[in-house]
Amino acid sequence: DVKVTQSSRYLVKRTGEKVFLECVQDMDHENMFWYRQDPGLGLRLIYFSYDVKMKEKGDIPEGYSVSREKKERFSLILESASTNQTSMYLCASSTGTEAFFGQGTRLTVV
Amino acid sequence: QQQVKQSPQSLIVQKGGISIINCAYENTAFDYFPWYQQFPGKGPALLIAIRPDVSEKKEGRFTISFNKSAKQFSLHIMDSQPGDSATYFCAARGGNTPLVFGKGTRLSVIA
Repeated sequence: DVKVTQSSRYLVKRTGEKVFLECVQDMDHENMFWYRQDPGLGLRLIYFSYDVKMKEKGDIPEGYSVSREKKERFSLILESASTNQTSMYLCASSTGTEAFFGQGTRLTVV
Repeated sequence: QQQVKQSPQSLIVQKGGISIINCAYENTAFDYFPWYQQFPGKGPALLIAIRPDVSEKKEGRFTISFNKSAKQFSLHIMDSQPGDSATYFCAARGGNTPLVFGKGTRLSVIA
């Protein structure tokens, strides 16, 4: 059974903190993605990676960075968390067709 | 610039009725059109997908209708059930580019 695991279901962080969201997949997929989900806005792409050490900006990369040191792990980093980054964050992986999503991390920045 | 426009934003359907969600796109390079289903507290999961070489694909009670000339595609849920209550996202992609999602439709099926 395919699996994308996000390290936390819920996180509460303070404004200005550096925040790490971790994602691990066990399907040996090349492609990994970070999306942000907000009511009425759907899923918006933050960053993606098609290979280890490779990263590409998505539609809303400002305030975020990513790290992919190993094929199975893709981390999203909020360099200095702000309240407008309060959201649901979804990690996904794919071979090129179907994308498999993790269950999401609901981040609240206070 | 919204690449995939989805409507309606919310939908209430009686049990046994037909649920219809519509999406429109602009980019003619798109060649893969999936629909994702998301239950509360879960990540989206692939429901059904279509490529533009066919006009319709059916899987059980779920059907995608695709109109290439109009650049539109829709999801039909026949005999809608309360268990179908979820948020549905259409998406599109061209080649190996990332999926672009619509804004979602919250479906409620009432008995």
